[in-house]
Amino acid sequence: GQNIDQPTEMTATEGAIVQINCTYQTSGFNGLFWYQQHAGEAPTFLSYNVLDGLEEKGRFSSFLSRSKGYSYLLLKELQMKDSASYLCAVPMDSNYQLIWGAGTKLIIKP
Amino acid sequence: DAGITQSPRHKVTETGTPVTLRCHQTENHRYMYWYRQDPGHGLRLIHYSYGVKDTDKGEVSDGYSVSRSKTEDFLLTLESATSSQTSVYFCAISEGVRNEQFFGPGTRLTVL
Repeated sequence: GQNIDQPTEMTATEGAIVQINCTYQTSGFNGLFWYQQHAGEAPTFLSYNVLDGLEEKGRFSSFLSRSKGYSYLLLKELQMKDSASYLCAVPMDSNYQLIWGAGTKLIIKP
Repeated sequence: DAGITQSPRHKVTETGTPVTLRCHQTENHRYMYWYRQDPGHGLRLIHYSYGVKDTDKGEVSDGYSVSRSKTEDFLLTLESATSSQTSVYFCAISEGVRNEQFFGPGTRLTVL
């Protein structure tokens, strides 16, 4: 079957670095998405990885290892506004549906 | 931002009543989706559409029906609402390119 696992909750300190992990099991692979969702709001796109390695975008970076079925989202110089849930998603074999992880709630403390 | 609106944004209804939620897009995207989001479950797909009058079931479709008579509108109907359908409902659209999805603002539905 197809499955995605993420930690339920993480806590970090303002100004620090945090890594949010995602492991997935799919029969095929067509990329991996990270979305950010603030409380009471809709998910918004953060990053997309289809090749192995690290993709950097400002304070946020996303890493993918296809052989290990593993990705992480790295957030640097944490700010209070980074308090949100971070969702990992992969396309199904049909490639027009996404399988979603349950999300990781990130709590930032001053 | 992708032009997606949902209506109503909030609704309280009683068990057994019919409810219709509307998703409207101005992006002319082919694919549209209805999700529900509940604590501990993440986003779960209810139904999706891959074109006008072309729809299919997702993983949690029981008790829900959908219709898409125009590219821009995707309706989700709860024929007889139950308390287990209390949730936040999100509509999403995609053009299919790498399947990146854009979300509407959500509808918070409470069934008493």
